[in-house]
Amino acid sequence: GAVVSQHPSWVICKSGTSVKIECRSLDFQATTMFWYRQFPKQSLMLMATSNEGSKATYEQGVEKDKFLINHASLTLSTLTVTSAHPEDSSFYICSAHKQGLREQYFGPGTRLTVT
Amino acid sequence: GENVEQHPSTLSVQEGDSAVIKCTYSDSASNYFPWYKQELGKRPQLIIDIRSNVGEKKDQRIAVTLNKTAKHFSLHITETQPEDSAVYFCAASGAASNTGKLIFGQGTTLQVKP
Repeated sequence: GAVVSQHPSWVICKSGTSVKIECRSLDFQATTMFWYRQFPKQSLMLMATSNEGSKATYEQGVEKDKFLINHASLTLSTLTVTSAHPEDSSFYICSAHKQGLREQYFGPGTRLTVT
Repeated sequence: GENVEQHPSTLSVQEGDSAVIKCTYSDSASNYFPWYKQELGKRPQLIIDIRSNVGEKKDQRIAVTLNKTAKHFSLHITETQPEDSAVYFCAASGAASNTGKLIFGQGTTLQVKP
């Protein structure tokens, strides 16, 4: 199988604080990981592509200084939402990609609520 | 950039009927087209995918067709059941970067009435 985990599954934080979300591929090495954001009743919007050992590639309109991505190993990528605001409240989902295969394996998502 | 349009946004069918969801893509270099089912608060689950060298693929009650010339692909669900009720997303992967980057359609909320 190909299992991807995310931690935490949900988090509530105060406005102005930072939150870190972890994405792990549990039984395979992920050359590439992706971070998506999904607002209620909307589609998945790709935020950034994360490659192990290199800088993430951000999609247009996504602030790289606000959404810090670190892909430190072939099994772990982290997304840090800095200086969070209520409008950052969303469902954040990561996915991992095995080199040579087309399928992406999704994590269970993290529900972020900023108060 | 790559764009994927999905229709309809909502679809209601009677149990046992068929459901069809359609998507069009803009990047002619796209060569991988997965379909995902997402239940509320859960991760997207791959239900079927198709590559550009194939025109049709079937897996039990689910089938996907691809028309590369017209740049559109469709999901067909036959003999629908209430448990098919969910949000369905199509996606396309551009070949240019080869990173596996997916662009998603807007989603279709399917309701199967018992």
